[in-house]
Order: sequence, then structure tokens, then C-alpha cells
Amino acid sequence: RKEVEQDPGPFNVPEGATVAFNCTYSNSASQSFFWYRQDCRKEPKLLMSVYSSGNEDGRFTAQLNRASQYISLLIRDSKLSDSATYLCVVRRAAGNKLTFGGGTRVLVKP
Amino acid sequence: DADVTQTPRNRITKTGKRIMLECSQTKGHDRMYWYRQDPGLGLRLIYYSFDVKDINKGEISDGYSVSRQAQAKFSLSLESAIPNQTALYFCATSDGAGGSYNEQFFGPGTRLTVL
Repeated sequence: RKEVEQDPGPFNVPEGATVAFNCTYSNSASQSFFWYRQDCRKEPKLLMSVYSSGNEDGRFTAQLNRASQYISLLIRDSKLSDSATYLCVVRRAAGNKLTFGGGTRVLVKP
Repeated sequence: DADVTQTPRNRITKTGKRIMLECSQTKGHDRMYWYRQDPGLGLRLIYYSFDVKDINKGEISDGYSVSRQAQAKFSLSLESAIPNQTALYFCATSDGAGGSYNEQFFGPGTRLTVL
């Protein structure tokens, strides 16, 4: 079983709609959680950290459920520019070593 | 100018050849990383270095070696390339201050094909 698992998608989303997807992690010792965004053939970039209380950044909302060991990302009012692969990332212990999921591809269409 | 640069950006080579991928950064970060990305597998850590004298294996270090020539430079070598090393390779950096998580900044990637 992979340490971090994601639905690869693609999630085909009409422009303006809401889309949400999850990521599950297997190691209960995981400490920190993040969503990175990766555009086609480009490098990953940090989208947002995920806090225990949940957090919001504009149209993006991230949630953490430690009991069920998953994190989620919700995108409201989807824009064409939101089309990308969203990587779920988990940090287990001190040292800043990250474990990446395989990514969820989102395609926003007019 | 980009903060994290990688050379070459694309490389096609043959089985058995020695290949070096180079990474340079101007962010002043202590920590540097090498990852490879394969379709559906996400990024996997090959090697990482927390300062010039520190080198650590990641989860898939077999067949690779690294050199941290300076704070700003971290090179990845494939001593004898094989086709299953065909992948997209990313270098990343992070600030080691504070001991807690620090965002990793990625270079643009090197697409390596081994025939």
C-alpha cells in the first residue's frame, strides 16, 4: 500500500463549479500536510498547508481528518486556470522529508 | 532569474552511459533534494543534503550518487544509466532554519530518457 494515495482523476469540472477530492495517508505518525500544485510539465509549487482546524485561502479550502487519516481539498468557483495536478504531500517527522502522492488531475472546462 | 536552476533541461542518452544532472540555487538555502517523478507514482526522494558536509539516501538511491560541491550546488549522477531511470528529475531546496517545516522550492526539472 502506498503511504500517500490519491485518486488520479481526471476530475472534469465545469467552469464555476465546485470540486473536492481527498488524499489518504497510511502512517499515523504523519505530522504535517500540504497541497502542492503542478502544471503540465512544470515544477510543483506549494498551494497551501493543511492545519488541524482546517484552513481556507480564497477559493481553496483544505481539511484534515486525523482519525480517518485523510486530507481534502475543495475548490469553489473553479477557473480555467485551476486546471492542474494537485499533489498531496505528507511530512512524517523532523527533517523536512516529504512523501508525495501520485496527484489528482483537475480539468476545468468552459 | 530563476531561484533554482537545473541543467540540462532535457537529455537523451544510451544504456551504460554516465550522466550528471546539475542543480544550482540562489535562495541561500542549506537544504537540497533530488527527486524523480514517474507517471502515477508522484515524486520520490533520491538523495538529500542538509548542508555541504551532509549527504543522505532517500527512498530510491540505488543506481544514483550525489555531490554537494557548495551550499548552492547539488549534482546527481547516474554512473551507468539504465532504461528504467527514464523519468523527470527535480531538484528542490528549503531553508533549514527553525527546525520546523519549511517550504520546498523546486527547479524546472530535467527530462531524462535512457535508450
